[in-house]
Parts: sequence; C-alpha cells; structure tokens
Amino acid sequence: DTGVSQDPRHKITKRGQNVTFRCDPISEHNRLYWYRQTLGQGPEFLTYFQNEAQLEKSRLLSDRFSAERPKGSFSTLEIQRTEQGDSAMYLCASSLETNTEAFFGQGTRLTVV
Amino acid sequence: TQLLEQSPQFLSIQEGENLTVYCNSSSVFSSLQWYRQEPGEGPVLLVTVVTGGEVKKLKRLTFQFGDARKDSSLHITAAQPGDTGLYLCADRDDKIIFGKGTRLHILP
Repeated sequence: DTGVSQDPRHKITKRGQNVTFRCDPISEHNRLYWYRQTLGQGPEFLTYFQNEAQLEKSRLLSDRFSAERPKGSFSTLEIQRTEQGDSAMYLCASSLETNTEAFFGQGTRLTVV
Repeated sequence: TQLLEQSPQFLSIQEGENLTVYCNSSSVFSSLQWYRQEPGEGPVLLVTVVTGGEVKKLKRLTFQFGDARKDSSLHITAAQPGDTGLYLCADRDDKIIFGKGTRLHILP
C-alpha cells in the first residue's frame, strides 16, 4: 500500500475559479478526513466521512466548499468561487476506524491569485 | 470548543541540547497525540497517550501526560538536526483537533 495519495500536489488558480482536489485513502480505511493548514498554524478540521457518509462538517466549511466520498473509497473536495483567503495546504487523512491511527497525505497546496 | 495551546511557538537550539515543549487543553483530552510535520509533508504520528500521568519514551523523546489529562509535555534529549520540524499536539476522538504547533529548529 502506498499510503494516502492526494492530487494535485500544487494548484494555482485565479480568484473566482472553481477547484477540485482528490484524495485516495489507504484501502479498507473507513474513515477519511479533510483538513486545511495555513502558514504557521496547525491543521484545522474541515470534515470527515465514515465510508460514504459525511458525519461532520466544521463551521469553517462555508457553502462554497463541498466534499464527497461517493463509493466510500476516494474523496473529492471542491471549492467554488475561490477567494484569496482559501490559499492554504489542504490535507487528507484516513484511518481504519475512529480512534485508530490516522495517516496523512502530503497535501495539496492551493494558491489563489 | 476545545482549545489547544502549545508553547513555545518557535524554538531554535544547538545540536546536543535538551528541550521541552508544552501542550495545554481547555478541556480533558479524549486521548492525546503528538505529531511531527516536516515542510511539504503531512503530520506523522509519534505517540498516543490515554491515561493521566502516563509517560512514554520513543528513543530520545519522552512524552508525559498530566494527571488531570489536560496537559502534556514533550522532552527531547540531545537534539539532532533531524528533529527539526513542527511538533503538534492533538486530541484524538472521532476527529483530530490540533494545536498550532511548536516549530523546532536544531542548529548543527
């Protein structure tokens, strides 16, 4: 198993454009998490899934953000009408179950210009 | 909402020195985790502690969990350049809540 994979690694987009990121978790991991991290900060929780069900969304996740995990495997995070404040590293993690070790991907660095 | 405070924010020391970083929570931890994150990478789990007063050692790293389960320390003995990174404490429950981290730089 190659671990948690995120694509793309880097994305530069113009303000107002939509972007979509993909996360492939470790196979058979039921839990999948999305985080956002800005410079000098720890990762901030955005949302998580148990299989295909989205169980919790942070208040940070405005209506411009949507996440899906349609078949309980890979997940996508879409940001509509990007703003400069969306510039950050977006991290994905997966774990077998709740309270088991979570493994993080290398992240997608988004720059909105 | 749980708040995790880590101190210091930044620490730069010479190779071979000892150091301690701290983590304090506004509420009791479900279980406390420490991670290290290197630039351009995701956080990597170092340790999980659950019981108040618990001490765990990982080579030159010693993790201590407060009796009241609201604070923790990470002590590194004889720091090496490879210890450089962002050290994050976190509360592990259904999700993981992170502190802002301590950025550690070890000078050769």
